[in-house]
Amino acid sequence: EAQVTQNPRYLITVTGKKLTVTCSQNMNHEYMSWYRQDPGLGLRQIYYSMNVEVTDKGDVPEGYKVSRKEKRNFPLILESPSPNQTSLYFCASARDSRNTGELFFGEGSRLTVL
Amino acid sequence: GQNIDQPTEMTATEGAIVQINCTYQTSGFNGLFWYQQHAGEAPTFLSYNVLDGLEEKGRFSSFLSRSKGYSYLLLKELQMKDSASYLCAVNDAGNNRKLIWGLGTSLAVNP
Repeated sequence: EAQVTQNPRYLITVTGKKLTVTCSQNMNHEYMSWYRQDPGLGLRQIYYSMNVEVTDKGDVPEGYKVSRKEKRNFPLILESPSPNQTSLYFCASARDSRNTGELFFGEGSRLTVL
Repeated sequence: GQNIDQPTEMTATEGAIVQINCTYQTSGFNGLFWYQQHAGEAPTFLSYNVLDGLEEKGRFSSFLSRSKGYSYLLLKELQMKDSASYLCAVNDAGNNRKLIWGLGTSLAVNP
């Protein structure tokens, strides 16, 4: 089954404790992206990757890091989480950079930073 | 600037037809997308328009007018399960093909 898998789905952590949210897709997609979704603010892009070893900042990259060492994986790293990073996070993938509008989303990771 | 507008909330009755509008202003255009998102779940792709006109897919249709910067999503024979948020997004060709998202329209279908 074609899917985007994120882990963990739910996480409560404390300020400053580094965490990684993993994302993996099994569709051989070139393009991957991370979004956060907050009430009243909609979906905001954090980082995206056009292909392996190619990453770029989205609209709200501060406080986040990503890497794309393999085509299927695109982890999101919060080096020192803060309460304003409490949010619902979605990983998404698309076939390639010409089709970035047709996205397949993971189920989401709800993060709470205390 | 870049902007997408859609109504915040709509209410409709089971079995009826509802039209959700979306207007956009972007520096370029490379397609308009509609997504459905049930509460607490991930968005799922519904439709894609790049040329003017109507695209039909079962109970759902999407219309685009590029000259007016306008699209609508038409849902027919509404079912309770259609209660969800509907997101409009535009691929901005003039901005590195960035996807610009609307805030979504929350549709409540009542019996």
